[in-house]
Amino acid sequence: GDSVTQTEGPVTVSESESLIINCTYSATSIAYPNLFWYVRYPGEGLQLLLKVITAGQKGSSRGFEATYNKETTSFHLQKASVQESDSAVYYCALGASNTNKVVFGTGTRLQVLP
Amino acid sequence: GPKVLQIPSHQIIDMGQMVTLNCDPVSNHLYFYWYKQILGQQMEFLVNFYNGKVMEKSKLFKDQFSVERPDGSYFTLKIQPTALEDSAVYFCASSGDNTEVFFGKGTRLTVV
Repeated sequence: GDSVTQTEGPVTVSESESLIINCTYSATSIAYPNLFWYVRYPGEGLQLLLKVITAGQKGSSRGFEATYNKETTSFHLQKASVQESDSAVYYCALGASNTNKVVFGTGTRLQVLP
Repeated sequence: GPKVLQIPSHQIIDMGQMVTLNCDPVSNHLYFYWYKQILGQQMEFLVNFYNGKVMEKSKLFKDQFSVERPDGSYFTLKIQPTALEDSAVYFCASSGDNTEVFFGKGTRLTVV
């Protein structure tokens, strides 16, 4: 079936350090999956951070970016310099454009130290 | 931004009783979803719903589960009867197109 594997948390980094959260996917039933990163800040609901629907393209938002790599089936999330306010749980996900069904990874808890 | 509202945020129910989880989707959205997340596990797709019908459901969507959106009001997930293993956080979501899905904050269901 379709699945997403991401860096197991928690991940702890200091403010202004760089960050990478790895994500790989397997899309057996979806020919051209859409790829997403969702984020859940403490006390908040899940919200979309960025999405890419075309292989080879890069998505970016709030200083985060991720590139849809079809060859390596990866969609790693990166940020050059994290802030304490980035502390949250990050979910990599894939989706089918025709049904909008979303398959989530297990989530990676990020803690940024001041 | 657009918000999906879930009411209540926490519900406790006796095993064997019926429970209805309510979701107020984003206005004008046409696609609706439920996801289930057991504590410590990943969020998993249950069902999606469009034009008054279930489009797709996972194996987690047991016969005891049903969904409906009567008269364009709340989108509901009903579990009847409930079982202990139904304890989880249930997330509602809605979308209006094929790229962005908006999620609620979830309803924590505890079956005792």
